Amino acid sequence: EAQVTQNPRYLITVTGKKLTVTCSQNMNHEYMSWYRQDPGLGLRQIYYSMNVEVTDKGDVPEGYKVSRKEKRNFPLILESPSPNQTSLYFCAIFSGGAYTFGSGTRLTVV
Amino acid sequence: GENVEQHPSTLSVQEGDSAVIKCTYSDSASNYFPWYKQELGKRPQLIIDIRSNVGEKKDQRIAVTLNKTAKHFSLHITETQPEDSAVYFCAAWDNNDMRFGAGTRLTVKP
Repeated sequence: EAQVTQNPRYLITVTGKKLTVTCSQNMNHEYMSWYRQDPGLGLRQIYYSMNVEVTDKGDVPEGYKVSRKEKRNFPLILESPSPNQTSLYFCAIFSGGAYTFGSGTRLTVV
Repeated sequence: GENVEQHPSTLSVQEGDSAVIKCTYSDSASNYFPWYKQELGKRPQLIIDIRSNVGEKKDQRIAVTLNKTAKHFSLHITETQPEDSAVYFCAAWDNNDMRFGAGTRLTVKP
């Protein structure tokens, strides 16, 4: 069974302090993606990756970076977090014809 | 790119009644339409899906219908129970990425 591991589950940080949210998968899936979830706005895609070294912007990429140096990991990087990036973040993989989400990371930027 | 609209945003039903959530999509290339259920504080979980070569699919109390011509698909929950209370998301996959509707908060009153 596909598993997606996200860390940390909760994070409170200050404006401007670089942070990384990690995402790893155990089944060698090619497609990985990051979403943010905000009340009333649903799940909005930040970045996705079709394979190693292949990443593309989603709907809301501003203020975020990603990397895909190996198939297993797809970290989300906030170089200079701002309060408007306070949100619930989900990593997801596309496997067996369905999305499997990580447990989520609740980020608060003060 | 794909645009998915979902209605209603909130839905309240009495236990035992049926609930219907509707979504429309814009990209005729979309070929896979999953539905996710998200309980409070948890990750979205796949509950049912349908592919573009099928018009209807049923799994116990839930069913999904797809009208490719009109570009809309619907989730039907019969004999609703309090544990069906959650936020439901529709989505559409166009071979590049998954686009989600804004979500429907379903409340089933005992």
